[in-house]
Amino acid sequence: AQSVAQPEDQVNVAEGNPLTVKCTYSVSGNPYLFWYVQYPNRGLQFLLKYITGDNLVKGSYGFEAEFNKSQTSFHLKKPSALVSDSALYFCAVRSASGSARQLTFGSGTQLTVLP
Amino acid sequence: ETGVTQTPRHLVMGMTNKKSLKCEQHLGHNAMYWYKQSAKKPLELMFVYSLEERVENNSVPSRFSPECPNSSHLFLHLHTLQPEDSALYLCASSQDRVRETQYFGPGTRLLVL
Repeated sequence: AQSVAQPEDQVNVAEGNPLTVKCTYSVSGNPYLFWYVQYPNRGLQFLLKYITGDNLVKGSYGFEAEFNKSQTSFHLKKPSALVSDSALYFCAVRSASGSARQLTFGSGTQLTVLP
Repeated sequence: ETGVTQTPRHLVMGMTNKKSLKCEQHLGHNAMYWYKQSAKKPLELMFVYSLEERVENNSVPSRFSPECPNSSHLFLHLHTLQPEDSALYLCASSQDRVRETQYFGPGTRLLVL
């Protein structure tokens, strides 16, 4: 069975500082990894995904994530946080041999960027 | 975000009511999903329709009934719900291929009284 852990329910960071939202996963075979963001009263928006290739993936709004196979991690990062980045962030995983339907989500991390 | 639309956005219903949630995708995808999002819990996949095949999470109660008349439309019929069913219900779609991404609608916020 595949699973995702987001160890922090809440992350606070000052505006302008770098931010990291952590994610670790467990899956059979090679993983496909995703980050989604959810703003209040909105659905999930796709940010970025790792399929294969370069371990550093760049996505929307200046976010990036680094795939680390040995640590089974896919942490989301941004060099300089904005107040508007405050939202709920979800990491998700599925096996590369599976289909798009077989996605497992973490429980989410609430990011608050303080002015 | 207009690729997947959901109506209504908010719904309040009593335990004896019958209502339906609607989802429509304009992305040409061939798979659609219903998820339940409760506070501080992982998203719970309820149903998947792919190429007219239905896959369901066996833990979903029978008071939730999906319908997928075609690849662009998905419904979730609700009857005799319980207060613990109050949640955000999210619809998503994708191409049912290996590398494809799921795209989500804005959700329906449901409150069961």
